[in-house]
Amino acid sequence: DAKTTQPTSMDCAEGRAANLPCNHSTISGNEYVYWYRQIHSQGPQYIIHGLKNNETNEMASLIITEDRKSSTLILPHATLRDTAVYYCIATKAAGNKLTFGGGTRVLVKP
Amino acid sequence: NAGVMQNPRHLVRRRGQEARLRCSPMKGHSHVYWYRQLPEEGLKFMVYLQKENIIDESGMPKERFSAEFPKEGPSILRIQQVVRGDSAAYFCASSPPGPGHLNTEAFFGQGTRLTVV
Repeated sequence: DAKTTQPTSMDCAEGRAANLPCNHSTISGNEYVYWYRQIHSQGPQYIIHGLKNNETNEMASLIITEDRKSSTLILPHATLRDTAVYYCIATKAAGNKLTFGGGTRVLVKP
Repeated sequence: NAGVMQNPRHLVRRRGQEARLRCSPMKGHSHVYWYRQLPEEGLKFMVYLQKENIIDESGMPKERFSAEFPKEGPSILRIQQVVRGDSAAYFCASSPPGPGHLNTEAFFGQGTRLTVV
């Protein structure tokens, strides 16, 4: 899996959009960008993934740059329940052996 | 459709005992993965199994740890002769069989917290 780099932590105001950056400059052509989050010692929760195109679902949007070297996860209206550690993972299509880095610790404040 | 079920949620073992952790994947999922999270650390991949086969065990410690996913029943992660350093949260994930494993996501259970005393 390609190495990913994320900020260690960030704060976000409740009700505002949270933009979480991720660098994956060595990503290869067959690697997807996945985002998971872990809310205080619970099991990780899948958020979204993409290959080249931007993606959106009920939880978030994923913006991938044209050169695929970085991406941004957008939580459109952060709530207190979005406080979690967010992991950006670049992984090949074969199976789901995920390499979790340190992630970004997001604190949503009232 | 129930999610990934892990049991027990909490397990306490004395040093030298055996620990058995169970994982029932989501219905229709044939791929199971085990991860370990030591206190205040990130999740580390341990092993990837399909029914009756170990596909990738590159993250498994060489001794005392084993995993299986039989044709019938849950996946089992077994730790023999536990030591204090085995205390951790163990998470299981499952995923459906995609076309050539492409474009699938993993669903995680709530974990088993093992404490070795």
